[in-house]
Amino acid sequence: EAQVTQNPRYLITVTGKKLTVTCSQNMNHEYMSWYRQDPGLGLRQIYYSMNVEVTDKGDVPEGYKVSRKEKRNFPLILESPSPNQTSLYFCASSPSRGRGPYSYEQYFGPGTRLTVT
Amino acid sequence: SQKIEQNSEALNIQEGKTATLTCNYTNYSPAYLQWYRQDPGRGPVFLLLIRENEKEKRKERLKVTFDTTLKQSLFHITASQPADSATYLCALNRGSTLGRLYFGRGTQLTVWP
Repeated sequence: EAQVTQNPRYLITVTGKKLTVTCSQNMNHEYMSWYRQDPGLGLRQIYYSMNVEVTDKGDVPEGYKVSRKEKRNFPLILESPSPNQTSLYFCASSPSRGRGPYSYEQYFGPGTRLTVT
Repeated sequence: SQKIEQNSEALNIQEGKTATLTCNYTNYSPAYLQWYRQDPGRGPVFLLLIRENEKEKRKERLKVTFDTTLKQSLFHITASQPADSATYLCALNRGSTLGRLYFGRGTQLTVWP
């Protein structure tokens, strides 16, 4: 089954404790992206990757890191989480074929609900 | 940056009527505009995509229009059903920047019997 998976689905952690949220897709998509969703603010892009070893900032990259060492995986790293990073996080992928994700639909993962206390 | 406004936070309509949702954008002209459906606690699901040179796109009971002069897209659900109740998001890119996508805050649609 074609899908985007995220782990963990739920996480409660404390301020400053490094964490990684994994994202994996089995559709051989070039493009992957991370979003956070907060009430009243909608979906905001954190980082995106056009292909392996190519990453770039979205609207709200502060406090986050990403890497794209292989096509299927795009982990989101929070080196020192803070309470303002409490949010619902979504990973998405798209077969951009070099033309950008906007020309093709994005497939979203199920979400990771993160709480930082 | 791109600013996107969706007409209202909530829209309530009766079953069988046509729901019309609005997406307005400012600043940059997108090459494409997309519509997604999101159910509570779940990831968005793609519905339709329309290109800047297209005026209208249809898929079953769904119809999207795109007016680049007005900087507006309209999303219609005809013969609406309670199962259509969800939040609908529009998304677009900045035309010259690959990879950057902007989402509206969404319109929560409720279809009552």
